[in-house]
Amino acid sequence: GAGVSQSPRYKVAKRGQDVALRCDPISGHVSLFWYQQALGQGPEFLTYFQNEAQLDKSGLPSDRFFAERPEGSVSTLKIQRTQQEDSAVYLCASSSAGGPGDTQYFGPGTRLTVL
Amino acid sequence: DAKTTQPNSMESNEEEPVHLPCNHSTISGTDYIHWYRQLPSQGPEYVIHGLTSNVNNRMASLAIAEDRKSSTLILHRATLRDAAVYYCILRVSFGNEKLTFGTGTRLTIIP
Repeated sequence: GAGVSQSPRYKVAKRGQDVALRCDPISGHVSLFWYQQALGQGPEFLTYFQNEAQLDKSGLPSDRFFAERPEGSVSTLKIQRTQQEDSAVYLCASSSAGGPGDTQYFGPGTRLTVL
Repeated sequence: DAKTTQPNSMESNEEEPVHLPCNHSTISGTDYIHWYRQLPSQGPEYVIHGLTSNVNNRMASLAIAEDRKSSTLILHRATLRDAAVYYCILRVSFGNEKLTFGTGTRLTIIP
C-alpha cells in the first residue's frame, strides 16, 4: 500500500525566502509528526498533530516555523524567512493510534538547502 | 526523558549475526523499547519493539535484560542491505508521542 509521501524531495531556497513542505500521511492515520534532521545527526522532533489538532509544538525552533493540518490528513510545514541554519532534511511520520507501543511510518524526507 | 546509550559504530561480516547493544539504565516500568533504523538517504524505518519479554519478528529479535536496563537488537544473518544507522528509543507512556532519537549506531556490513 501507499506509504507516507513528501514533496518536494529537494528544495533550494535563497536566504529570506519562505518555503512550504508537504506531507501526505498513510490514509486513515490519526497522528502526524514532523522531525528535522541535520547532517550527521539523528532526527529531532518538531511538532505533532492528532487529526487536525496540533497537540505538541514544543520542538519548533522559532516562530518562523509553522505547521498545519487543517482537515486532519495532509500537513504543511512552512518556514518563513529561511536562514542557513534551517538547512536540513525534514521528515514526516504518521501513525494509526498513538501510544507507547505504536509504530511511526516515515516518509523519505525533504532536503532543504538554504543558500 | 530516559536516555539510551549506544556505540557510535559497529562492523559485521555479511551473513553473520549482529548484536547491537543499548543501555537504558534510567528506564521506567512503563517505557517501551523501540528500535528504528535509517538506511542511507531514506527516512527511519521501524524494526521492532518490546516492553519486558523478548520479541521476534521477520526483521530481527529483541532481547531485553531481566532488569530492563539494557537490550540487544539481533540481526540473525546480516546482509549488505542491513547497513544503516540503528536507533534505540524509549517510548514513554501515553501523552508523550514523539520519538527521541539519539545518535544511534552506524552498522557497516563487510562483504
